[in-house]
Amino acid sequence: AQSVTQPDIHITVSEGASLELRCNYSYGATPYLFWYVQSPGQGLQLLLKYFSGDTLVQGIKGFEAEFKRSQSSFNLRKPSVHWSDAAEYFCAVGISSGSARQLTFGSGTQLTVLP
Amino acid sequence: DAGVTQSPTHLIKTRGQQVTLRCSPISGHKSVSWYQQVLGQGPQFIFQYYEKEERGRGNFPDRFSARQFPNYSSELNVNALLLGDSALYLCASSFTGYNEQFFGPGTRLTVL
Repeated sequence: AQSVTQPDIHITVSEGASLELRCNYSYGATPYLFWYVQSPGQGLQLLLKYFSGDTLVQGIKGFEAEFKRSQSSFNLRKPSVHWSDAAEYFCAVGISSGSARQLTFGSGTQLTVLP
Repeated sequence: DAGVTQSPTHLIKTRGQQVTLRCSPISGHKSVSWYQQVLGQGPQFIFQYYEKEERGRGNFPDRFSARQFPNYSSELNVNALLLGDSALYLCASSFTGYNEQFFGPGTRLTVL
């Protein structure tokens, strides 16, 4: 069965430091991969997506992610974190189930940014 | 352009009651999906609708039902509420369901 693992429940970084959030997936076919961000009490905002092609994808707010098929990973990176990046981050894989395309999410990584 | 809208924002119900949540997709989007997000977890897929037809259903009991209207808006109904139904219910829209999904702000349901 398909699954998404985010091994880090909580990460703390200082403002201006680099960031990498890990995501591993289990899915038999070619995955469609996404990163979403959720601020407290809010819905999910799409940061970036990978469907095919270049394995390094750029997203909004200065985020990027790299798809590595050999490692079944899709890690999210940012070179310099801003205080406003504090939020919860979810990795998701888009799978086909019958005629539906549903998202399977990881359990999330909570990011704290220190001043 | 307006994003995905959901109503109500918050809702408090008691066990055994029934609830209806509403969602309006982004203009031009024909697919709506519903997700349940329990505190501290990632969202879980409940339903997907496209052109008023149910395309898929997650592992949820029959107490959960949904429908999509000709204007592509959608309702999620939950009958015989249990304490465990307390969660943030998220609606997502996309052009066809096979593209990226854009989420609304959610409806926070509390069951007492």
